[in-house]
Amino acid sequence: AQSVTQLGSHVSVSEGALVLLRCNYSSSVPPYLFWYVQYPNQGLQLLLKYTSAATLVKGINGFEAEFKKSETSFHLTKPSAHMRDAAEYFCAVSRPNFGNEKLTFGTGTRLTIIP
Amino acid sequence: GAGVSQSPSNKVTEKGKDVELRCDPISGHTALYWYRQRLGQGLEFLIYFQGNSAPDKSGLPSDRFSAERTGESVSTLTIQRTQQEDSAVYLCASSPTRSATDYQPQHFGDGTRLSIL
Repeated sequence: AQSVTQLGSHVSVSEGALVLLRCNYSSSVPPYLFWYVQYPNQGLQLLLKYTSAATLVKGINGFEAEFKKSETSFHLTKPSAHMRDAAEYFCAVSRPNFGNEKLTFGTGTRLTIIP
Repeated sequence: GAGVSQSPSNKVTEKGKDVELRCDPISGHTALYWYRQRLGQGLEFLIYFQGNSAPDKSGLPSDRFSAERTGESVSTLTIQRTQQEDSAVYLCASSPTRSATDYQPQHFGDGTRLSIL
């Protein structure tokens, strides 16, 4: 079985400050890991993914995440927050498969940017 | 359009009624997933279709829920005798068949917001 825990359902940072959203996973096999962003009344957009290549993954909009097996973590960071980063962020895990790669999601972190 | 299309975008219905939600995947995408997002929660997997293979229905919460997909085209999710706890956003995602070395991410639609009165 797989699971994801996102620490902090709400995070507020000042514009220009570091963004850090935490994600820890549990998986019985080497996982694939993802961060998705959801803007109001929209679907999910993939920010970045880890699929067993480089452990430091760079995504869109200046975000990056580091896969740390020893800590079972995949935290999302961005050096300098922008107002447009305000959204809900979901961490997800899947089991590598050549067929069904259903995603198991965390409960989400709502990011607020303070002007 | 180029993306995953879901209809209706919003649906309000009375408890006990049946509802049907539709998903048009991206053309050529063989895999299709349905997820449910209840207020304040993450997404829960419901069902997976891959071409003409038997679907993975392991996430369907009760026998009131069913889904169909013909080949690699449109999918419909049906909820019979709706209950208030069925209120949620239902999201559809599709992805292409992937090779051994090239992961293909899921592309999500904007969802159907279902409200049961």
